[in-house]
Amino acid sequence: DAGVIQSPRHEVTEMGQEVTLRCKPISGHNSLFWYRQTMMRGLELLIYFNNNVPIDDSGMPEDRFSAKMPNASFSTLKIQPSEPRDSAVYFCASSLTNLGRREQYFGPGTRLTVT
Amino acid sequence: GENVEQHPSTLSVQEGDSAVIKCTYSDSASNYFPWYKQELGKGPQLIIDIRSNVGEKKDQRIAVTLNKTAKHFSLHITETQPEDSAVYFCAAKGTFQGAQKLVFGQGTRLTINP
Repeated sequence: DAGVIQSPRHEVTEMGQEVTLRCKPISGHNSLFWYRQTMMRGLELLIYFNNNVPIDDSGMPEDRFSAKMPNASFSTLKIQPSEPRDSAVYFCASSLTNLGRREQYFGPGTRLTVT
Repeated sequence: GENVEQHPSTLSVQEGDSAVIKCTYSDSASNYFPWYKQELGKGPQLIIDIRSNVGEKKDQRIAVTLNKTAKHFSLHITETQPEDSAVYFCAAKGTFQGAQKLVFGQGTRLTINP
């Protein structure tokens, strides 16, 4: 099993540019989560999908952030326009939520730096 | 919503000694409590979890205990080894909107001194 795959692993961009982060969940998993990790705020849930449908986006900080899941094997998190305070590590996680299972498996993350 | 407090924020122990990390949660309806280990430059890795219908779970050198009445749970690592050095996060599964949301503690940086 390849695990959760994220790309790119590192992204450096200038303020005002559009940034797109990509995630491929574990095959067969039906829930997908986007998290942001910073020293100040720790691990924060931004949004999660169940069966490709957004369920809870209350953690999305601003309208500059958007996420899509067009199919069960792909999701994107877009920031437009990006700002220096968006610099963080963004993680994608997936899980198989049936029969009471709850385990979430994280990808390696994308380190975003906005200058 | 759910709130998870974790302490200590840093912990240093001698190799071979035990380490204990504690978390409290606020939502009495939470019923799933995982622990994650994060090594430098990597994503969090699930190491053990416990559900609210049991009080203790053990996996080799790692154990987790849960006290639902007091709303706290703890991670115990025995016979610590240098490779146990990492940041550890506790989490609780909230009950908001579909009950899939994990709320994480702030993390504990564990250092094992050889």
